[in-house]
Amino acid sequence: ETGVTQTPRHLVMGMTNKKSLKCEQHLGHNAMYWYKQSAKKPLELMFVYSLEERVENNSVPSRFSPECPNSSHLFLHLHTLQPEDSALYLCASSALRTNTEAFFGQGTRLTVV
Amino acid sequence: GQNIDQPTEMTATEGAIVQINCTYQTSGFNGLFWYQQHAGEAPTFLSYNVLDGLEEKGRFSSFLSRSKGYSYLLLKELQMKDSASYLCAVLDSNYQLIWGAGTKLIIKP
Repeated sequence: ETGVTQTPRHLVMGMTNKKSLKCEQHLGHNAMYWYKQSAKKPLELMFVYSLEERVENNSVPSRFSPECPNSSHLFLHLHTLQPEDSALYLCASSALRTNTEAFFGQGTRLTVV
Repeated sequence: GQNIDQPTEMTATEGAIVQINCTYQTSGFNGLFWYQQHAGEAPTFLSYNVLDGLEEKGRFSSFLSRSKGYSYLLLKELQMKDSASYLCAVLDSNYQLIWGAGTKLIIKP
């Protein structure tokens, strides 16, 4: 248990569905991240929030929409996804956005059918 | 472009020593991280190096040479539970983490 909780753990959705991934941390961290992890590929940083403000958006398609209502919660809203979006989506948090270790959640295994 | 290279897969024997290498080319450098990720689980932090040299932490040690753009993770007295993927990541000048694809380590009895 790393202190970062993600739900759901597994999600299967059709290309026309809308769903949301949830991440919660009670570590008092100021930065939160969404990553995409595909098999045998490096972790891809999708979004970074620092003090509830989005500071990074690495050319992620608009079918992925993040939301950070407070410093403890982070959401990733999904709509009209493609099969190639199937992957493990990891949430992480860190005390600062700089040189501090990140704590990861268990991830959501997403399958788009 | 920015690039992190590490071997895709390595195999070692229980009780032995293994060294996992990582080379990097990034725009700036603010430190290098190693993470361990067991199958189906979250990555967990192992080490952070920002200065040259060796950092030892129990059975695990991490080495950094900034001039060579090189790091390694050394695992001693290997145990079956060390079977996992080991991820190398570099913090660039914008404090963005650049990740390697990970090295899958297989431990055999």
